[in-house]
Amino acid sequence: KAGVTQTPRYLIKTRGQQVTLSCSPISGHRSVSWYQQTPGQGLQFLFEYFSETQRNKGNFPGRFSGRQFSNSRSEMNVSTLELGDSALYLCASSLVGRNSPLHFGNGTRLTVT
Amino acid sequence: GQQLNQSPQSMFIQEGEDVSMNCTSSSIFNTWLWYKQDPGEGPVLLIALYKAGELTSNGRLTAQFGITRKDSFLNISASIPSDVGIYFCAGQGETSGSRLTFGEGTQLTVNP
Repeated sequence: KAGVTQTPRYLIKTRGQQVTLSCSPISGHRSVSWYQQTPGQGLQFLFEYFSETQRNKGNFPGRFSGRQFSNSRSEMNVSTLELGDSALYLCASSLVGRNSPLHFGNGTRLTVT
Repeated sequence: GQQLNQSPQSMFIQEGEDVSMNCTSSSIFNTWLWYKQDPGEGPVLLIALYKAGELTSNGRLTAQFGITRKDSFLNISASIPSDVGIYFCAGQGETSGSRLTFGEGTQLTVNP
């Protein structure tokens, strides 16, 4: 069974630009979550999607947004990039319900210059 | 908000030694998870705990869900070089959906 797939693996952008990251969950998983990982803040929750609806949102500015498609695939978008947005962005998927742990992809490494 | 304190921050051990790390929380969690992350990769799930007092093993790894629901520990027995990496604990509350709160991580170095 294929794991969580994230594309691209690496991305370099300039301040002020926007970026879109993609995530394909494990087959059968309908919940998709996004996390930001930085050396200073660790792993921080961005948002969670289920059935194309945002179910939960972390404490990030409105420049960070996401969506989920009918096939459970998800994208996240960051607009007006800042230097501090440089991070590893991790997508995770899970089955729905209790006792359904998150399984992570290998992330997209975003560098903002 | 919820915070997880994970300790130690780093460990340097000899191959064959046992390792113990733990996490404590200011809030109650319904689920405790332990992940390992290697450089350039995402966290990989090691053990999931769903019940207070639960003790679960996965090969040389053993983890426990504290009775107070505010703490968890992970033990690694007879460490080997491939155990090197960063270990994270994560807690999940009852109303948080799939939202996890992560500890700061324990960097493990194993000397052959």
